[in-house]
Amino acid sequence: QQQVKQSPQSLIVQKGGISIINCAYENTAFDYFPWYQQFPGKGPALLIAIRPDVSEKKEGRFTISFNKSAKQFSLHIMDSQPGDSATYFCAARGGGSNYKLTFGKGTLLTVNP
Amino acid sequence: NAGVTQTPKFQVLKTGQSMTLQCAQDMNHNSMYWYRQDPGMGLRLIYYSASEGTTDKGEVPNGYNVSRLNKREFSLRLESAAPSQTSVYFCASYRHTDTQYFGPGTRLTVL
Repeated sequence: QQQVKQSPQSLIVQKGGISIINCAYENTAFDYFPWYQQFPGKGPALLIAIRPDVSEKKEGRFTISFNKSAKQFSLHIMDSQPGDSATYFCAARGGGSNYKLTFGKGTLLTVNP
Repeated sequence: NAGVTQTPKFQVLKTGQSMTLQCAQDMNHNSMYWYRQDPGMGLRLIYYSASEGTTDKGEVPNGYNVSRLNKREFSLRLESAAPSQTSVYFCASYRHTDTQYFGPGTRLTVL
């Protein structure tokens, strides 16, 4: 059972455009929603994260939009740059003290110059 | 401050061989995790250790064992490697401010 569904699998955007990646979850006990960025040959690194009591969080060109009633959240990358080309994973943390993350399957973003 | 380190970076095994993947963190984190990453599958949790002295199964534990040697080190062992265990393995540790930090990964091929 896939608890976090991510789309699209791949995305091609022109430089300066907006990249949008969507995730949907099922478990209402999730209490923290991070996005990770992964470059080839590297480990994932935290990009931005949000809690369900907030509808939007912005850090520079990166924004998370969160819709608690729809159980959906999305990552928007404004003014996309070739250096943003990477794989992006959404994740959700279950409640409790073990801090386990459930990941989406990832989106390969390519930003063309 | 090296963060999360993993050894080896690359490994090729034959079916049936055993090996241990090593992970260490120098951030004084309580929780540590092992994931595997396969194309199109995202990151799947193999085992985790919420604190020193405890370990629990994740989503895909079959064929693996773990040891939380001390607060810094968390190892993953493959007793009898199978081609289905060809993957990239990531270790991560958790900080109280909600961030999981990942190591650089071990790329394992089982022939």
